[in-house]
Amino acid sequence: EDKVVQSPLSLVVHEGDTVTLNCSYEVTNFRSLLWYKQEKKAPTFLFMLTSSGIEKKSGRLSSILDKKELFSILNITATQTGDSAIYLCAKNTGNQFYFGTGTSLTVIP
Amino acid sequence: DARVTQTPRDKVTEMGQEVTMRCQPILGHNTVFWYRQTMMQGLELLAYFRNRAPLDDSGMPKDRFSAEMPDATLATLKIQPSEPRDSAVYFCASGFGWSYGYTFGSGTRLTVV
Repeated sequence: EDKVVQSPLSLVVHEGDTVTLNCSYEVTNFRSLLWYKQEKKAPTFLFMLTSSGIEKKSGRLSSILDKKELFSILNITATQTGDSAIYLCAKNTGNQFYFGTGTSLTVIP
Repeated sequence: DARVTQTPRDKVTEMGQEVTMRCQPILGHNTVFWYRQTMMQGLELLAYFRNRAPLDDSGMPKDRFSAEMPDATLATLKIQPSEPRDSAVYFCASGFGWSYGYTFGSGTRLTVV
């Protein structure tokens, strides 16, 4: 069974802090790794990573993949209360998606 | 490890046939979601339940889709009649409220020909 493990499970920070969320996965049939942000409804897509070492950036969010060590990180700088959400990562094997359980981030004003 | 079990794993059916997908949430979880993934990145919420009661099914085409939780250990998503545009991977996830992580099932890959 493919496993995707996210850490920490939950995190509480103050506005302005920088956070790093972790996602590790098993190597079997890896095609890509995806990050999502989930607030109340369906997760919102953030990034798709396929190549090692290439940082993807969108505003204050960035993510990078390490295919040798089998993990990815999602960084959020200068956090805002609107960043409070559950952040999910998922591994795509081409015909299956395997999700982690998510990291719950709470940003306090 | 506790897991969300979805059956069947794969389903190929002809247009017009009824399709039923099943989900066994993790024991003790009180929130169950159904999602559909049609593109590389997007997840579309179809319905979710809290304590077996449907809270939101606005994402579902009501004329052909129905979602139920006959008991706490089973959630079903039914399509009748199925159409080729319903071809997608359908995920079930369970959790405990909004503030905690969710566990996703492996999905049911539906192909309607």
